[in-house]
Amino acid sequence: DGGITQSPKYLFRKEGQNVTLSCEQNLNHDAMYWYRQDPGQGLRLIYYSQIVNDFQKGDIAEGYSVSREKKESFPLTVTSAQKNPTAFYLCASSPRTGANTEAFFGQGTRLTVV
Amino acid sequence: GENVEQHPSTLSVQEGDSAVIKCTYSDSASNYFPWYKQELGKGPQLIIDIRSNVGEKKDQRIAVTLNKTAKHFSLHITETQPEDSAVYFCAAPLNQAGTALIFGKGTTLSVSS
Repeated sequence: DGGITQSPKYLFRKEGQNVTLSCEQNLNHDAMYWYRQDPGQGLRLIYYSQIVNDFQKGDIAEGYSVSREKKESFPLTVTSAQKNPTAFYLCASSPRTGANTEAFFGQGTRLTVV
Repeated sequence: GENVEQHPSTLSVQEGDSAVIKCTYSDSASNYFPWYKQELGKGPQLIIDIRSNVGEKKDQRIAVTLNKTAKHFSLHITETQPEDSAVYFCAAPLNQAGTALIFGKGTTLSVSS
């Protein structure tokens, strides 16, 4: 099956700990994205990557970090500097760079920090 | 950068009625406007999109209209069914290069039978 896999579906962490969310795609897509979803806030862009070894900050990058060492993988680290990390995190990919094309989303990871 | 506003935030209709969701955007150079549907606990899925060279696009019971002059676009769902109940998001390109999408805050549509 082709698609985007986010793991785990639910994640719990203690305050002050860094945590890494996994995102893998086997669609051979060039571009990958991370969005954060909070009730009433829609989807807010955290980071995006158009090509391996390159990524750009979105609107709410503070307290997050990413890497793009492989085309199929785009992990997101939520650091202790993120003040309100509890949220639903969505990873997406799209076929081409610099073109307005459909974004395919994973099923999301719900992170709860206690 | 682009800014997208979406209204209403919630919408309740009776089965068989029509539903309309509206979005406005700020960047007159934007040229791609998709609509996504998100069911509970899942990721959003594209349901329809429109590019700036057309004013309307239809796909069965759903349609999208675009007014470039006024910088707004709308989603129309006719003959609504309970399975249309979901959260709907509009989006527009982050920049002219189209490197990412910026989303509206979403509309929760409830269709009662």
